[in-house]
Amino acid sequence: SQQGEEDPQALSIQEGENATMNCSYKTSINNLQWYRQNSGRGLVHLILIRSNEREKHSGRLRVTLDTSKKSSSLLITASRAADTASYFCATEQKTSYDKVIFGPGTSLSVIP
Amino acid sequence: DSGVTQTPKHLITATGQRVTLRCSPRSGDLSVYWYQQSLDQGLQFLIQYYNGEERAKGNILERFSAQQFPDLHSELNLSSLELGDSALYFCASSADSSYNEQFFGPGTRLTVL
Repeated sequence: SQQGEEDPQALSIQEGENATMNCSYKTSINNLQWYRQNSGRGLVHLILIRSNEREKHSGRLRVTLDTSKKSSSLLITASRAADTASYFCATEQKTSYDKVIFGPGTSLSVIP
Repeated sequence: DSGVTQTPKHLITATGQRVTLRCSPRSGDLSVYWYQQSLDQGLQFLIQYYNGEERAKGNILERFSAQQFPDLHSELNLSSLELGDSALYFCASSADSSYNEQFFGPGTRLTVL
């Protein structure tokens, strides 16, 4: 079952621009996390936002969560070529089965 | 470097065979998670172990099994392999039983011919 759905599937921007990725999910969650994956490598945790939080910042990252719309967004400001990667949202469900569900990811290309 | 190690890096085997993937979590982490990543299915949560006990199960096939040993390393056993089992298998660890901030290993790329 696919809980998180990222949008867009792919995004190409110029260095210095902002990148926004969205994630939608279907059921109640405890928290939502964003991860980055460089081609074929392990995922790296970026940020976690709990279900009772609305916004969180970490460096150039800004995450919002709207539980009424079951959606989250990840904003990367002043993007760099090194930000080129796939970005995944992961939702921790309140149910015990299929506890953690990752979305299909957004592939971000930052052009120098 | 996340501190999570996985062996082997690559594995090529034939249909019907059985393989074992190994994971060593970060020092001090009690939870180990296994994931499968393929082009058609994306990243799928398979199973979680916490301090030696199975904690949660996801989309894990009956042909697959896992365990966590007293020294907290974990093994994922895949048997009766099929072509569709070809994928990247990731192990991740976290400090406690929650799913917060998992640290991922580099993965094992399994190719079933």
